[in-house]
Amino acid sequence: AQSVTQLGSHVSVSEGALVLLRCNYSSSVPPYLFWYVQYPNQGLQLLLKYTSAATLVKGINGFEAEFKKSETSFHLTKPSAHMSDAAEYFCAVSGGSARQLTFGSGTQLTVLP
Amino acid sequence: DSGVTQTPKHLITATGQRVTLRCSPRSGDLSVYWYQQSLDQGLQFLIQYYNGEERAKGNILERFSAQQFPDLHSELNLSSLELGDSALYFCASSAGDRTFFGPGTRLTVL
Repeated sequence: AQSVTQLGSHVSVSEGALVLLRCNYSSSVPPYLFWYVQYPNQGLQLLLKYTSAATLVKGINGFEAEFKKSETSFHLTKPSAHMSDAAEYFCAVSGGSARQLTFGSGTQLTVLP
Repeated sequence: DSGVTQTPKHLITATGQRVTLRCSPRSGDLSVYWYQQSLDQGLQFLIQYYNGEERAKGNILERFSAQQFPDLHSELNLSSLELGDSALYFCASSAGDRTFFGPGTRLTVL
């Protein structure tokens, strides 16, 4: 079975500071990994995905994530936080023949002025 | 806009009732997924259909059922509703390794 664990249900950063959201995965096969963002009262939007190509993946809105097999991690980073980045972020792994997503518990990002 | 549409946006009903949630996938996508997001359980995969056939089941209760029609839209039927069924229900469709989510239907059971 595949799973992801997000460390830290709440993260606060100051505007302009580095954003680091942590995700560790467990998978018996090479995983497909994703980061999604959910703004209040909205659906899930794909930020970026890892599908066994480059280990450093660049996404939308200045976010990127690095796949580290040795650490079973796929942490999300952004060099400089913006107020508009405040949202909930979900790490997910895709598995099974149906390619359904298994989500982490989410990390609420607060950006302080 | 993901291209996945869901209706209704909000639904308020009483315990014991039955409701139907509707989803239209992105044009050309054959796969439809249903997910439930609740405070207790987080985001959970419920069920997937591919071109009208059930492909995979997740943590879907027996009181819940779904189907996908020839025009590829899907419906999720929730019956004998309980307070704990209150949640945000997402539909998603996929193309290759990308999954696109609809805006969700917020179900409140009173």
